[in-house]
Amino acid sequence: GQNIDQPTEMTATEGAIVQINCTYQTSGFNGLFWYQQHAGEAPTFLSYNVLDGLEEKGRFSSFLSRSKGYSYLLLKELQMKDSASYLCAVRVNQAGTALIFGKGTTLSVSS
Amino acid sequence: DAGVIQSPRHEVTEMGQEVTLRCKPISGHNSLFWYRQTMMRGLELLIYFNNNVPIDDSGMPEDRFSAKMPNASFSTLKIQPSEPRDSAVYFCASSSRLGQGGYTQYFGPGTRLTVL
Repeated sequence: GQNIDQPTEMTATEGAIVQINCTYQTSGFNGLFWYQQHAGEAPTFLSYNVLDGLEEKGRFSSFLSRSKGYSYLLLKELQMKDSASYLCAVRVNQAGTALIFGKGTTLSVSS
Repeated sequence: DAGVIQSPRHEVTEMGQEVTLRCKPISGHNSLFWYRQTMMRGLELLIYFNNNVPIDDSGMPEDRFSAKMPNASFSTLKIQPSEPRDSAVYFCASSSRLGQGGYTQYFGPGTRLTVL
C-alpha cells in the first residue's frame, strides 16, 4: 500500500521558523511535491524534490532524504498569510503522472 | 494565461439527482486529474487521463461515478445517482511533461458539491 504521514496541526508565531515533516512508504518514488492550500481555495504548487538535499525558494525550503523516506518543508520569517494547510505528495510511478497526497498539515500563525 | 477552469463552482442537489462537473485544463497540458477532498479523507485521486485516455480509475468509489475526456480541452465527472456521502469539494488538475518540476499539477478552483 501507499502511505504518507504528516502531522495534523502545527502552530507558530509571526517571524518564527517552522518545519513540517513528511514521511512516506510507497511502492515507488519519482519525486516529492509540497503544495499550499488556503481555506476554501485550491492547492498551489510550492516545491519539488527528486534528488536528496535541500531546495531553497525564498522563505520556503524543502528537503528530501530518499533513503529515509523523509522530507520536510521549512518556512522562515513566518507571516500571518502563511496560515494554511501544507500537503506533501509523492509521484510513485515513473511512467505515470499521478500523485499520492498526504492528508495535510494545518499551520496556524499567530501574532 | 488562464488556469484550470471548473464549473460549476457550487452545486446543491437532492439525493438521487444526476450531477455533472466540468473541467477545462490548461492549454497544452496532456494529463488531467479528478480529485475529491473531504475533511476525513483528505485529497483523493479519483481518475486521471493522459492524452485524453483514462489511465487509472481505481480511485473511483463506485459505478455511480464516471468520467470522460472527449478532447484535450474538456473533461466531465458525472455522479448518477448522487448520495449525501458524495458531498465534497471536487478538484480538477492538469499537468504537462514540459512543465516546471517534472509533471507539476495545477489545480482548478474546485466545485463544492452538497447533496441533500
